[in-house]
Amino acid sequence: QVQLQESGPGLVKPSQTLSLTCTVSGGSISSGSYYWSWIRQPAGKGLEWIGRIYTTGSTNYNPSLKSRVTVSVDTSKNQFSLKLSSVTAADTAVYYCARGNWAIDGFDIWGQGTMVTVSS
Amino acid sequence: EIVLTQSPGTLSLSPGDRATLSCRASQSVSSSYLAWYQQKFGQAPRLLIYGASSRATGIPDRFSGSGSGTDFTLTISRLEPEDFAVYYCQHYGSLLYTFGPGTKVEIK
Repeated sequence: QVQLQESGPGLVKPSQTLSLTCTVSGGSISSGSYYWSWIRQPAGKGLEWIGRIYTTGSTNYNPSLKSRVTVSVDTSKNQFSLKLSSVTAADTAVYYCARGNWAIDGFDIWGQGTMVTVSS
Repeated sequence: EIVLTQSPGTLSLSPGDRATLSCRASQSVSSSYLAWYQQKFGQAPRLLIYGASSRATGIPDRFSGSGSGTDFTLTISRLEPEDFAVYYCQHYGSLLYTFGPGTKVEIK
């Protein structure tokens, strides 16, 4: 079955760029009617959608983060990635990658999440 | 932008009880784009319901969703010990996914 796994630094300095990668295993990132998203959750708080990408490379971003976010895909590696620039302490959160399913318009598979702390 | 409000914030119930969770949208939305998730402490969310009322793969039938327009409900017919968690509703529209603030179902 398809599984997702986030990877990347757990600590990022203020004003720098947060970079995370999600590796898809158990299936091809290019198959099916899916899109690939990043979602984050500050400690003790709710969920915030960051953005999504299709394997065509087409992207959509949350307007509140759009100026700082880039999501990209590498189909040869079965991975997609997140870059969030000019980070502040407010970007400290658990970051999840998730598979979106066109057929149900929901996120049906999630990674376990990775904690990213923004601190000097 | 659609804003989702969930109530109550916390629901204190006993195993075997019926749980009724509410999700209200700031304006009418298509039920096709309303989903519910369960999140246990330290875990990723899990999709329960999509299209307001369809259960996701592997979800027990004690979970059901209903509603339309601005008011949606997640019902857990008989709480099992593993159902005590936080529940989020989620909407998709205008190229944006939004989540409600969540309802915590705790053991009374």
